[in-house]
Amino acid sequence: EVQLVQSGAEVKKPGESLRISCKGSGYSFTSYWINWVRQMPGKGLEWMGRIDPSDSYTNYSPSFQGHVTISADKSISTAYLQWSSLKASDTAMYYCARLMTTTVFDPWGQGTLVTVSS
Amino acid sequence: QSVLTQPPSVSAAPGQKVSISCSGSSSNFGNNYLSWYQQLPGTAPKLLIYDNNKRPSGIPDRFSGSKSGTSATLGITGLQTGDEADYYCGSWDSGLSAGVFGGGTKLTVL
Repeated sequence: EVQLVQSGAEVKKPGESLRISCKGSGYSFTSYWINWVRQMPGKGLEWMGRIDPSDSYTNYSPSFQGHVTISADKSISTAYLQWSSLKASDTAMYYCARLMTTTVFDPWGQGTLVTVSS
Repeated sequence: QSVLTQPPSVSAAPGQKVSISCSGSSSNFGNNYLSWYQQLPGTAPKLLIYDNNKRPSGIPDRFSGSKSGTSATLGITGLQTGDEADYYCGSWDSGLSAGVFGGGTKLTVL
């Protein structure tokens, strides 16, 4: 079974750093891009960026460029999303999703809830 | 503000049919394929329709997709209470070099 399993919920303070993970299984991890998608409370889906796990080439949405870093470790089939200095406005659910083709995200991870509060 | 435009909500009675629209531009699904995702309450999104009108294995034929130019429609027939969810259209925007989604449509089955 193809699946993406994300790390657990996090509660952080403003200014702290954070890295969340997304582990793929059931397929060749290096054959498909991994994407990250944000969903703020009660809001819609926002595409953040993607990574090609075979060579770690990344592509970011202009809205998120410079605010987050996407990386991957192909030896353990895991992609990461990280922040160096969190803000309260980063509070959201974050999903990873495999990119099947240019426009098809499947499957999705179960989501990681990040709460940033003082 | 989302790049793709969807109505915020639609509703219909059980057993009836509903359509959800998605409009974009030539830089996104005017020249790329469109997908639809279903997000049941408290869960991750799930692929419902891909390449404008194809259903993944396991998706019932009550769900259908169509596209014409820069507009697309998700159709759901034989509505069930279990279909209550948020539905999102998604594509790639060649001008932005970014994935794009609609703002989502909340389906209520009355």
